[in-house]
Amino acid sequence: AQSVAQPEDQVNVAEGNPLTVKCTYSVSGNPYLFWYVQYPNRGLQFLLKYITGDNLVKGSYGFEAEFNKSQTSFHLKKPSALVSDSALYFCAVRAVNDYKLSFGAGTTVTVRA
Amino acid sequence: EPEVTQTPSHQVTQMGQEVILRCVPISNHLYFYWYRQILGQKVEFLVSFYNNEISEKSEIFDDQFSVERPDGSNFTLKIRSTKLEDSAMYFCASRQGAVTTEAFFGQGTRLTVV
Repeated sequence: AQSVAQPEDQVNVAEGNPLTVKCTYSVSGNPYLFWYVQYPNRGLQFLLKYITGDNLVKGSYGFEAEFNKSQTSFHLKKPSALVSDSALYFCAVRAVNDYKLSFGAGTTVTVRA
Repeated sequence: EPEVTQTPSHQVTQMGQEVILRCVPISNHLYFYWYRQILGQKVEFLVSFYNNEISEKSEIFDDQFSVERPDGSNFTLKIRSTKLEDSAMYFCASRQGAVTTEAFFGQGTRLTVV
């Protein structure tokens, strides 16, 4: 079985400050890891993924994430948050030989001006 | 940029009625999915579809649910006899064939069963 934990329901930061959204996972074998963002009344929008190779992956809108195998974590980061980054962020995992994604509960990010 | 489209955006139905949720996946994608998100809960996998058959389904996907790709472009989810607890946002997703590719999601259909 595979699962994802996002320990924080909410993250609040000031614009211009660094943003981190935490994610830990559990999966048999090597993981494929993903971050998605959901804006109000919109679908899930792909941000970035880790498949293999460099532990630091870069994605859309200045976001990046660091894969840490020993800590089974895949935290999402942005060096300088914008008000427009305010949204619901989902971490997801897929096992190498699996078809489906397993999602975390989501973290609501609020960036205040 | 290609996108997954879903119709309708919102559907209200009476308990016991049949509903069909429609999706047009990205044209060169081979894997198709339905997920749902009950209000305030996490996104849950329902079913995956590949090569014109179900490749995996969750416990949620019981005999009341079915999927179809009737014409090579549309991908539908049918709920035969809706229950109140089927009220949720339903997301369609599609993925290219390579195992490392990400899924692209539609904007969702909000189903309200009254």
